[in-house]
Amino acid sequence: AQRVTQPEKLLSVFKGAPVELKCNYSYSGSPELFWYVQYSRQRLQLLLRHISRESIKGFTADLNKGETSFHLKKPFAQEEDSAMYYCALDSGYSTLTFGKGTMLLVSP
Amino acid sequence: GAGVSQSPRYKVAKRGQDVALRCDPISGHVSLFWYQQALGQGPEFLTYFQNEAQLDKSGLPSDRFFAERPEGSVSTLKIQRTQQEDSAVYLCASSPGQITDTQYFGPGTRLTVL
Repeated sequence: AQRVTQPEKLLSVFKGAPVELKCNYSYSGSPELFWYVQYSRQRLQLLLRHISRESIKGFTADLNKGETSFHLKKPFAQEEDSAMYYCALDSGYSTLTFGKGTMLLVSP
Repeated sequence: GAGVSQSPRYKVAKRGQDVALRCDPISGHVSLFWYQQALGQGPEFLTYFQNEAQLDKSGLPSDRFFAERPEGSVSTLKIQRTQQEDSAVYLCASSPGQITDTQYFGPGTRLTVL
């Protein structure tokens, strides 16, 4: 069965500091990984997906199959990055398995 | 254009009542998903439709949960004889239809069972 683990419930950083939100997955096949974000009072929305290899709002994530990880990184955090971040895995049947989420707080 | 909409946004039910939650997907989206998000947890998959066909209902927690999408557009999630453990935010998402298409989420319905 697939599983997504986000070990940190809360990550608090200062503005301008680097950010890394951890995500590990368990899946025997070839996964499709995503990061979703939920800003305060807004709906869940896609931030990025590994297959597109894009950088969105300065965030990047690299799929490491050896370590089964898909950590989300940003070199310089901004206050507007404060939000709830969910890592998700698509096992190929279009249904997403989500982690429990990490709350990122960026302080001025 | 309009995104995914859900109604009601908030629902309070007494234990044992039946509830119906509605989802209006983005027009033309083939796939529709329901997720349950308990407090402090990530969304958990409930069921998946492709047009009117319910292709996966493996996530429905009990036979009290029932979902339908009779005309391949609007979907309703029905919970019979609600229990306190059903209290959660119920999220609906739709996607154009191809495997690994981006899912677009609605605002959710917060269900509280007293």
